[in-house]
Amino acid sequence: QVQLQESGPGLVEPSETLSLTCTVSGGSLNNAYWAWIRQPAGKGLDYIGRIYSSGSLYYNPSLKSRVTMSIDMSKNRFSLEMSSVTAADTAVYFCAHYKQYCTAGNGGNCFRYFDLWGRGTLVTVSP
Amino acid sequence: EIVMTQSPATLSLSPGERATLSCRASQSVTSSFLSWYQQKPGQAPRLLIYGASTRATGIPARFSGSGSGTDFTLTISSLQPEDSAVYYCQQDNSLPPTFGGGTRVEIK
Repeated sequence: QVQLQESGPGLVEPSETLSLTCTVSGGSLNNAYWAWIRQPAGKGLDYIGRIYSSGSLYYNPSLKSRVTMSIDMSKNRFSLEMSSVTAADTAVYFCAHYKQYCTAGNGGNCFRYFDLWGRGTLVTVSP
Repeated sequence: EIVMTQSPATLSLSPGERATLSCRASQSVTSSFLSWYQQKPGQAPRLLIYGASTRATGIPARFSGSGSGTDFTLTISSLQPEDSAVYYCQQDNSLPPTFGGGTRVEIK
């Protein structure tokens, strides 16, 4: 089955750039959306953004000025960069598969949800 | 952005009891764009319900979702010890997708 695995430095200095990669195994990145979501310790889930296999992007406006996502089809992985980090960016970062589809026929419904998640990786921003 | 508010913050119930978790949106959400997730300590969230009422693959029948517009509910019909977790609702009706603050379900 498809599995996602985040990787990257666990410690980043303030004002530096956070860089994470999500490697997908057991499946292809093709024709799918891939997302990043983070969770500060003891808090809820915050959506960072998503990338389509074609490279189409959407970033949460609250982070847009600092976030860059990319995708590498040859290595079956996608990446997140977040610049000018502060302590407020300390969190567990999850990558996820974002499923979006519509059922066929008249009255068909469309659905959107995150159906597969990586285990998450803790990134601490500290000197 | 749409704000999702969950209540109660914590629910403490005994095994076999019924749990009712509420999720309220600041604007109307199309039912097909409302999902529920379960998160246990140290784990990633797991998709439970999508389309407000459709169970994801492998999710036990004791989990059910309902609601429309701005008010949605996750019901666990007969709590099991393994249901101890935090539950999040999430809307994808409008960008950006947003999550509720979560309801912690504790098993006495």
